[in-house]
Amino acid sequence: DVKVTQSSRYLVKRTGEKVFLECVQDMDHENMFWYRQDPGLGLRLIYFSYDVKMKEKGDIPEGYSVSREKKERFSLILESASTNQTSMYLCASSPFQAAGNTIYFGEGSWLTVV
Amino acid sequence: QQQVKQSPQSLIVQKGGIPIINCAYENTAFDYFPWYQQFPGKGPALLIAIRPDVSEKKEGRFTISFNKSAKQFSLHIMDSQPGDSATYFCAASKQGSGYSTLTFGKGTMLLVSP
Repeated sequence: DVKVTQSSRYLVKRTGEKVFLECVQDMDHENMFWYRQDPGLGLRLIYFSYDVKMKEKGDIPEGYSVSREKKERFSLILESASTNQTSMYLCASSPFQAAGNTIYFGEGSWLTVV
Repeated sequence: QQQVKQSPQSLIVQKGGIPIINCAYENTAFDYFPWYQQFPGKGPALLIAIRPDVSEKKEGRFTISFNKSAKQFSLHIMDSQPGDSATYFCAASKQGSGYSTLTFGKGTMLLVSP
């Protein structure tokens, strides 16, 4: 069964803290993504990676960075968390040159920045 | 700019009704149009998808209608059930070099009353 695992489901962090959100997929997928979901705004792409150590900016990369040292793992980093980064973060993966139907999502990480 | 516009934001129907959710896109480079279903506390999951060379696709009680000239597509849920209550996202995908990214609409919260 397809599995995208986000290790932290609920986090509360203070303003200015460095935050790491971890994501692991067990499907040997080349592509991995980080989305942010906010009510009324839908899902917005932050960063994606199509290979180890490769990354591309999405629509809203400001304030975020990513790391992909291994194929199965894709981390989202908030260098200095701010209250406007309170949101649900969704990790996803897909195989090489996949059409949209094979993008698989994790269950999300709820981040609150106080 | 919003590349995929989705309406309505929310929808309430009675059991057995046929909710219809509409989406419009602007970028003619989009080549794949999936719908995702999201239950509370879960990540989105692919529901059904269509390519622009087809005007309609049906899977069980779910049907996508696609109008290429109008750059619109819609989701119909036949004989809706309370278990269909969820948030629905339309999306559009375009191929990059070895990957595709999804651009999502803002979502429709559907409630099917018993």
